[in-house]
Amino acid sequence: DVKVTQSSRYLVKRTGEKVFLECVQDMDHENMFWYRQDPGLGLRLIYFSYDVKMKEKGDIPEGYSVSREKKERFSLILESASTNQTSMYLCASSSPSGGTDTQYFGPGTRLTVL
Amino acid sequence: GDSVTQMEGPVTLSEEAFLTINCTYTATGYPSLFWYVQYPGEGLQLLLKATKADDKGSNKGFEATYRKETTSFHLEKGSVQVSDSAVYFCALSDLGSGNTGKLIFGQGTTLQVKP
Repeated sequence: DVKVTQSSRYLVKRTGEKVFLECVQDMDHENMFWYRQDPGLGLRLIYFSYDVKMKEKGDIPEGYSVSREKKERFSLILESASTNQTSMYLCASSSPSGGTDTQYFGPGTRLTVL
Repeated sequence: GDSVTQMEGPVTLSEEAFLTINCTYTATGYPSLFWYVQYPGEGLQLLLKATKADDKGSNKGFEATYRKETTSFHLEKGSVQVSDSAVYFCALSDLGSGNTGKLIFGQGTTLQVKP
């Protein structure tokens, strides 16, 4: 089974702090994704990566950056956390060689910015 | 651009009731279609999928048929249980994104099943 893990289930940070959210997948997937989930808004794509050191902006990249130095790890960085970044963050991975675009999700990190 | 529209929730049913959650899509090509489920406090899990027209995806008593003529992928279950209470997301593969595997998600439908 594909396993996607996220570094924390719950995180509390203060405004202005630099925040790192880590995601690791164990299935050698090429593609990795970061979403945020807010009530009534569904899932919104922040950034995605289709290869090591490659990244593409999603629908809401402002205030975020990402890093993919190794194939299995995709990090989301909040350079200076703000209260409007309080949300659930979900990481996912997929492989185009699998024949479909099925994404496999981690358990999520609920981030609160005070 | 491509999009997914789901029926608004919350949907509240009694145990053993019949469930339908409507999903329609707009796409220029022939995307794969997915239903994901999110149980309270967890990430999303793939529930079922269909990759071409008239395919039926099924899992855990849930079914959905890829209807190209009506651009729909409605989720159904004959008899829901309390344990089915969750948020359900319909999604399609974003063919315009090349080989990046992007999905386009609906806004999610909350299902609450009461004993």
